[in-house]
Amino acid sequence: GDSVTQMEGPVTLSEEAFLTINCTYTATGYPSLFWYVQYPGEGLQLLLKATKADDKGSNKGFEATYRKETTSFHLEKGSVQVSDSAVYFCALGNQAGTALIFGKGTTLSVSS
Amino acid sequence: DAGVIQSPRHEVTEMGQEVTLRCKPISGHDYLFWYRQTMMRGLELLIYFNNNVPIDDSGMPEDRFSAKMPNASFSTLKIQPSEPRDSAVYFCASSPRAETQYFGPGTRLLVL
Repeated sequence: GDSVTQMEGPVTLSEEAFLTINCTYTATGYPSLFWYVQYPGEGLQLLLKATKADDKGSNKGFEATYRKETTSFHLEKGSVQVSDSAVYFCALGNQAGTALIFGKGTTLSVSS
Repeated sequence: DAGVIQSPRHEVTEMGQEVTLRCKPISGHDYLFWYRQTMMRGLELLIYFNNNVPIDDSGMPEDRFSAKMPNASFSTLKIQPSEPRDSAVYFCASSPRAETQYFGPGTRLLVL
């Protein structure tokens, strides 16, 4: 069945470092892809999404490109801040487009 | 809009007791989802509704769990009887079109 695999964390970076969190997926068809972020003690928030191959989603300095050939949707940011410390979830839409399948999440910790 | 509202935010109960979690989705959203989050299993979809009708409950762990949506503005997730392994954070999410989901702050449940 459809699934999402994220790199395991935690990822620990210094402020202003470059961030990459890897995400690959297995799916039939052409699912939409998402990144959600969860700050401590809160629910998940949509960070960005892409609905078709080669689309680039972006928000708050984060970017991810839908790569069908490598079945990947890696999250990147050029310069992280302490406030980016959170758990990041990659997700894909199911075949019916009615629900999301989440990865296990990657914890990012940024120090000043 | 106030966003997705969940209550209670925290619940501590003893094994064998009945637990009821509540959710008010964002007005106008046709889909409502219940998730469970634990360190061991990550984020799991328990059940989701479309227009108040349960569509997929395959994630409900066992008969002790039940969910209802009596109207478009209210849903409950009930555990009876509760067990220590049910301790987790339970999230409710709503969506206008299923894929872009908006999460509530969660209910942190501890069963002693």
